[in-house]
Amino acid sequence: DTEVTQTPKHLVMGMTNKKSLKCEQHMGHRAMYWYKQKAKKPPELMFVYSYEKLSINESVPSRFSPECPNSSLLNLHLHALQPEDSALYLCASSQEPRYQETQYFGPGTRLLVL
Amino acid sequence: QKEVEQNSGPLSVPEGAIASLNCTYSDRVSQSFFWYRQYSGKSPELIMSIYSNGDKEDGRFTAQLNKASQYVSLLIRDSQPSDSATYLCAVSGNAGNMLTFGGGTRLMVKP
Repeated sequence: DTEVTQTPKHLVMGMTNKKSLKCEQHMGHRAMYWYKQKAKKPPELMFVYSYEKLSINESVPSRFSPECPNSSLLNLHLHALQPEDSALYLCASSQEPRYQETQYFGPGTRLLVL
Repeated sequence: QKEVEQNSGPLSVPEGAIASLNCTYSDRVSQSFFWYRQYSGKSPELIMSIYSNGDKEDGRFTAQLNKASQYVSLLIRDSQPSDSATYLCAVSGNAGNMLTFGGGTRLMVKP
């Protein structure tokens, strides 16, 4: 089983709202990732958590705040977003935080910022 | 700046033909190579991974890697209309578990 789940599937929010995206995996994976994907573009890495600690932050604006409450859960807290932040947000996980490891993607949350 | 390049397409092939998708990468220390398929509006799903020079076959799919030429390809035999999707090449290396994606190639298989 290589299932990564994400909620919600769709989210519409205003620029003053605060919302959170959730990601969950029960495969015992120790690395989890957030990606952002704009239309007709490849996924862009935002954050990497290795063993529940933030290991990579790809210079993401502070209006995006990741959190890893435990080894199965990954959240992305959103605050004061801009319309250009509208995109598909993808969560992924891998067995270990190593280059050989396959990353498995969840279905994504499609975010629209008005 | 690590770069992964793919022809954006669309690559159009008739049903039953072989589709050949190509990818080049700039970072010589890249170690792991992945092909993902992404249907419109969906998330990427893994097709193949390859780590060593040569060919790796899985059903109708064959991945080919040539590290000297910094080139990786994906062959799809007996292409089906259901194979119509965007194919993403992804590369990772000694920098850890960071994947760098190419821009993707859109494949269209016509019945």
